[in-house]
Amino acid sequence: DARVTQTPRHKVTEMGQEVTMRCQPILGHNTVFWYRQTMMQGLELLAYFRNRAPLDDSGMPKDRFSAEMPDATLATLKIQPSEPRDSAVYFCASGGDVITGELFFGEGSRLTVL
Amino acid sequence: GDSVTQMEGPVTLSEEAFLTINCTYTATGYPSLFWYVQYPGEGLQLLLKATKADDKGSNKGFEATYRKETTSFHLEKGSVQVSDSAVYFCALITGFQKLVFGTGTRLLVSP
Repeated sequence: DARVTQTPRHKVTEMGQEVTMRCQPILGHNTVFWYRQTMMQGLELLAYFRNRAPLDDSGMPKDRFSAEMPDATLATLKIQPSEPRDSAVYFCASGGDVITGELFFGEGSRLTVL
Repeated sequence: GDSVTQMEGPVTLSEEAFLTINCTYTATGYPSLFWYVQYPGEGLQLLLKATKADDKGSNKGFEATYRKETTSFHLEKGSVQVSDSAVYFCALITGFQKLVFGTGTRLLVSP
C-alpha cells in the first residue's frame, strides 16, 4: 500500500532550535509539495519540487526555512531558528509526472514551538 | 493570481440532510477543479475532480459540476452521514501545475 511517509509525527521544541521534517514520497512520484496548515491561514503552499528541482518556494520565509530533495526518496523541510509562529501542521504530498491534480498527502508533522 | 473562495464553516447538519458547500474560483484559462477531504488527524485525500466545463465529478455520493459561466464548483450530497464529518477543500490547478486550495469548510453531521 503506497503512501507518503512523514517524520516526525509530532515535535515540541523551544524557540531558537533547529527543526527538520522529513518526507518519503511515493515511489515513482516525481513531484513533491510542502504545505503548512494553521487555523488562521488555512493550507499554505510553502514549496514544491519536480524531479528534485525546486520549482516554486515563494510561499516560504527565506530567512529561516529551507527545503531540499537530496534524492528521489527524501524531501526535507528545515526551520532554523524556529519561532512560536511556526507552530502548525506541515504536510508533504507527492504526485506523478503529469499533474492531474491528484496529490497523495502524508499524515503531517505537528510542530509546536514554545 | 489564481484563487479559490469557499463558504466559511462550520456547516452543521443532521444526518440525512442535503449538503451544499459553495466554491468559486478565479483563474486564467481553464483550470481543472477538485474537491479534497480531510478527516480528523489525517492528511487530505482527493474526493472528486472535473477537468473541463460542464463535467460532473462524483464519488461516495458527493457531486460537483464545473460551471464556467459562474466560475463555480459547488459540492453537493443528497443525504449526509455522521461519517462525512470532515473538512472539505476546493482546489484548482494552475498553468504552472501548482495546486491552489481554498481555506476549507468544516462539516459537522450529528445523528
